[in-house]
Amino acid sequence: DTGVSQDPRHKITKRGQNVTFRCDPISEHNRLYWYRQTLGQGPEFLTYFQNEAQLEKSRLLSDRFSAERPKGSFSTLEIQRTEQGDSAMYLCASSLSSGDGVYGYTFGSGTRLTVV
Amino acid sequence: TQLLEQSPQFLSIQEGENLTVYCNSSSVFSSLQWYRQEPGEGPVLLVTVVTGGEVKKLKRLTFQFGDARKDSSLHITAAQPGDTGLYLCAGAMEYGNKLVFGAGTILRVKS
Repeated sequence: DTGVSQDPRHKITKRGQNVTFRCDPISEHNRLYWYRQTLGQGPEFLTYFQNEAQLEKSRLLSDRFSAERPKGSFSTLEIQRTEQGDSAMYLCASSLSSGDGVYGYTFGSGTRLTVV
Repeated sequence: TQLLEQSPQFLSIQEGENLTVYCNSSSVFSSLQWYRQEPGEGPVLLVTVVTGGEVKKLKRLTFQFGDARKDSSLHITAAQPGDTGLYLCAGAMEYGNKLVFGAGTILRVKS
């Protein structure tokens, strides 16, 4: 397994367009997280899945954002009607967990989104 | 306001110097993790500390979790240019299922 893969690495889009990012986690990992990181800040939580179930979504996340994880494998994050404020690095991470608790994340290299 | 406050925000030192990065909160965490991130890449896990008062060493890096599980520190001995990067602390809230990250400390080690 080569770790967590994210595609694309870079995306430039015009304001108002829709974009979709893909994340392929480590195959044995049952949890998948999406974070957003802007320059000079730490990653900010967006949402997470345990297997195929989306268990938590940040209250900061507008309804223009949606994420899926069909069959508990890869995940997609879609942003509709992009705005300049959506420009950021979108990070995906996966972890293996059983029951409660948080374990070490393995992050992908991220997708850098620029909205012009 | 950040749940986890990291200090300093930026540190520029000469090769061979020692340094300490701090991560503080008023909240209790079930575990705390440290990550290192290079430009254009995702963070890479360095260590997880779970028990209050725990100390872990990873070569020249020493991590400590506070007795009350509200704070942590990262100490680097004899820093090298390869240590340059963004250091992030991240805490798992008790009964939570995700990590909350600090804003990070940018470390630059000059040769």
